[in-house]
Amino acid sequence: KAGVTQTPRYLIKTRGQQVTLSCSPISGHRSVSWYQQTPGQGLQFLFEYFSETQRNKGNFPGRFSGRQFSNSRSEMNVSTLELGDSALYLCASSSGTPSFTEAFFGQGTRLTVV
Amino acid sequence: SQQGEEDPQALSIQEGENATMNCSYKTSINNLQWYRQNSGRGLVHLILIRSNEREKHSGRLRVTLDTSKKSSSLLITASRAADTASYFCATDAKYEDTDKLIFGTGTRLQVFP
Repeated sequence: KAGVTQTPRYLIKTRGQQVTLSCSPISGHRSVSWYQQTPGQGLQFLFEYFSETQRNKGNFPGRFSGRQFSNSRSEMNVSTLELGDSALYLCASSSGTPSFTEAFFGQGTRLTVV
Repeated sequence: SQQGEEDPQALSIQEGENATMNCSYKTSINNLQWYRQNSGRGLVHLILIRSNEREKHSGRLRVTLDTSKKSSSLLITASRAADTASYFCATDAKYEDTDKLIFGTGTRLQVFP
């Protein structure tokens, strides 16, 4: 079956702009999680959605938001971009609670803010 | 701060040797998972070990879990150049959040042919 698909793969934005990243999970998976990966902070949890409901949110400012659609596809949005938002954004899908089941990751979206 | 700390941060070995990396965490957990990441790409799940398990094997991988010490180790036997990657442990927080994975800092493994 098809894996987790993240689009776009690469993005370059300028400070102050906003960006929307997309994630299509594995068919049948209802849990989608988002992570930010940077060299300095490592992998940081952003949020997790299950059946269109946000179940958990990490310690990120309100500029970071997300949503999940009825077909389980998810988007995350970052408004008023800052240089420090440059990172690899990873999406993961699971069939159930992320900590109890294998998470399948997409290839990520590399965001560069200039 | 992150739940998991991995040790060593980097490890270089020759093909055929064994590689051992360790992970320590801070709070009680339900499960611990190990993931591999090839340079700048997505993570690949390797193994999940439950808090009531002490050891688990998958092919050339052996994972141990010591909940009394809040630590886990990943052993890769007979390593290959293709094992070159970063390895991360990930846990939940048993009494707080089971809906998210908390990743460690990772071990960068380099296997020379």
